[in-house]
Amino acid sequence: QVQLVESGGGVVQPGRSLRLSCAASGITFSIYDMYWVRQAPGKGLEWVAAISHDGSNKYYADSVKGRFTISRDNSKKTLSLQMNSLRNEDSAVYYCAKAHVGYHDKSELDSWGQGTLVTVSS
Amino acid sequence: EIVMTQSPATLSVSPGEGATLSCRASQSVISNLAWYQQKPGQAPRLLLYDASTRATGIPARFSGSGSGTEFTLTISSLQSEDFAVYYCQQYNNWPRTFGQGTKVEIK
Repeated sequence: QVQLVESGGGVVQPGRSLRLSCAASGITFSIYDMYWVRQAPGKGLEWVAAISHDGSNKYYADSVKGRFTISRDNSKKTLSLQMNSLRNEDSAVYYCAKAHVGYHDKSELDSWGQGTLVTVSS
Repeated sequence: EIVMTQSPATLSVSPGEGATLSCRASQSVISNLAWYQQKPGQAPRLLLYDASTRATGIPARFSGSGSGTEFTLTISSLQSEDFAVYYCQQYNNWPRTFGQGTKVEIK
């Protein structure tokens, strides 16, 4: 079955960097667009970034544009999120999620990891 | 950016009763609308996509309707496991956007 496992979260000071990873198994990773979605404590879901199946297209929320970079390694079935210049408001659980439909840029998210917590605090 | 507005923020329902949740988009998303359920400490789970298609394994008591800017999630007879927060999300435009959520609580 599909499994998405995030890692890399932790406590980091404002202005510093952190890199999140998501390891996928049970799927043909290379055919699906992949997403990062975050959820601040006690708050709703916020879409962060997305990357097309082949990595050629990347999209970002305005709140992270210029600071975060999404990437993928299809040979390793891994999704990454490089987070630079972190701010207190970036504190959240970060979920990795998979598009439902392969090779389709308009798709819901049918599988989610359990999330990794990022806390930005001095 | 398309703003997704859900109502009500909280819905108090007795087990066995029905519930209707609303989601409004600030501009048309056609039928590119999904609903997710999230329980405390868990990741969201896909319930419905394309506004009205149930995801794999989702019970028939969950149904969706609407297109364009107005959407509805209906739970026909609430079971104990249905008390959760529900989010709508549009995937027609970038950036993808979620509603703020509707909490369905036990009355």
